Amino acid sequence: GNSVTQMEGPVTLSEEAFLTINCTYTATGYPSLFWYVQYPGEGLQLLLKATKADDKGSNKGFEATYRKETTSFHLEKGSVQVSDSAVYFCALSESTGANSKLTFGKGITLSVRP
Amino acid sequence: EADIYQTPRYLVIGTGKKITLECSQTMGHDKMYWYQQDPGMELHLIHYSYGVNSTEKGDLSSESTVSRIRTEHFPLTLESARPSHTSQYLCASSRWTEAFFGQGTRLTVV
Repeated sequence: GNSVTQMEGPVTLSEEAFLTINCTYTATGYPSLFWYVQYPGEGLQLLLKATKADDKGSNKGFEATYRKETTSFHLEKGSVQVSDSAVYFCALSESTGANSKLTFGKGITLSVRP
Repeated sequence: EADIYQTPRYLVIGTGKKITLECSQTMGHDKMYWYQQDPGMELHLIHYSYGVNSTEKGDLSSESTVSRIRTEHFPLTLESARPSHTSQYLCASSRWTEAFFGQGTRLTVV
């Protein structure tokens, strides 16, 4: 079956630090990959996505590249802000079939200090 | 902007009460989901639906039930609430692979 593994958290950084959150996946087919973000007291929002190998998703200064050879989709940001404090989820969905489901990693909490 | 709504946002209710958590979307999505989020923030799929009159149990066993009589509406019901049901419940919908989430209902059973 499909699975997503995220690095253990929580992560605490100072403002303007470089961020990397690791994500690796196992899938039987050719999944689409996603990063979702959950701000305190809110539901999840899509942060970025990539639908095929070597695609790079980007949004709000965050980037992630779909690496089929290493089955990874690591999230990076060059300079984090206090407002980036949130929980980040890596997820995958099989691209084929109307009955696809999202599979989530466990999520990681990021805290950014001023 | 995603158009998926959950009500209520917060609910505190006594043990043994029947409750229904509402979820509605205006995007015409066929697929809808209910997730339970534990205090460690991990998401657990408890129910999903691929269309009207289709409902399936998710990866985590739940005493709740769901119905899908209309495309836009996917309510979750607990016949007899217990303190172990205290949690955050998130509803989502999707057309293909990308899911849109509601803001969640935080349920506390006392």
